[in-house]
Amino acid sequence: NAGVTQTPKFQVLKTGQSMTLQCAQDMNHEYMSWYRQDPGMGLRLIHYSVGAGITDQGEVPNGYNVSRSTTEDFPLRLLSAAPSQTSVYFCASSALGTDYGYTFGSGTRLTVV
Amino acid sequence: QQQVKQSPQSLIVQKGGIPIINCAYENTAFDYFPWYQQFPGKGPALLIAIRPDVSEKKEGRFTISFNKSAKQFSLHIMDSQPGDSATYFCAAAMDSSYKLIFGSGTRLLVRP
Repeated sequence: NAGVTQTPKFQVLKTGQSMTLQCAQDMNHEYMSWYRQDPGMGLRLIHYSVGAGITDQGEVPNGYNVSRSTTEDFPLRLLSAAPSQTSVYFCASSALGTDYGYTFGSGTRLTVV
Repeated sequence: QQQVKQSPQSLIVQKGGIPIINCAYENTAFDYFPWYQQFPGKGPALLIAIRPDVSEKKEGRFTISFNKSAKQFSLHIMDSQPGDSATYFCAAAMDSSYKLIFGSGTRLLVRP
């Protein structure tokens, strides 16, 4: 029972490079979301999805793209990385209709130099 | 503009003490208020949650107090232990949107 799996765990990018953070869940959860965690600012919602083919913006969507082609996967794309995107990124999933029992992945620590 | 304000930023208590973490919100449409616990290097994990129709909820040593009129809620940890040392986040959500909005977090240290 893997839960929510995020890859990679660590990544260093140069400014302007692109990359995709992977997130996969095996619980058949409809809802998936991406958060970034920065010191003193808690977890801020980047993008979320309530099902395959449906995505929407959260609090801090600029510089990030998402897509949801399957129930299991919800990748986060950085098209042109900037130092301000240095952060720890968490993916979370939940079954719709439940009391928000979000399951979080273990995070991806991204550094943009 | 932060929709959920959390305080204090950090907290140190002795073993057996009762740390209290407070949160306040503005949006009266919020109808679900969970608390998450996060250990270093791990993702947050749901600890306890409450809805506005009750004023208090207990689960083991953890208690949420909710004041709907003041738009405030708090987490109390009874008989705190060193193993409770972690970062705690309050959050709020609306059933209509499923988006979970977090507070800024409180780093708790329980000294032996």
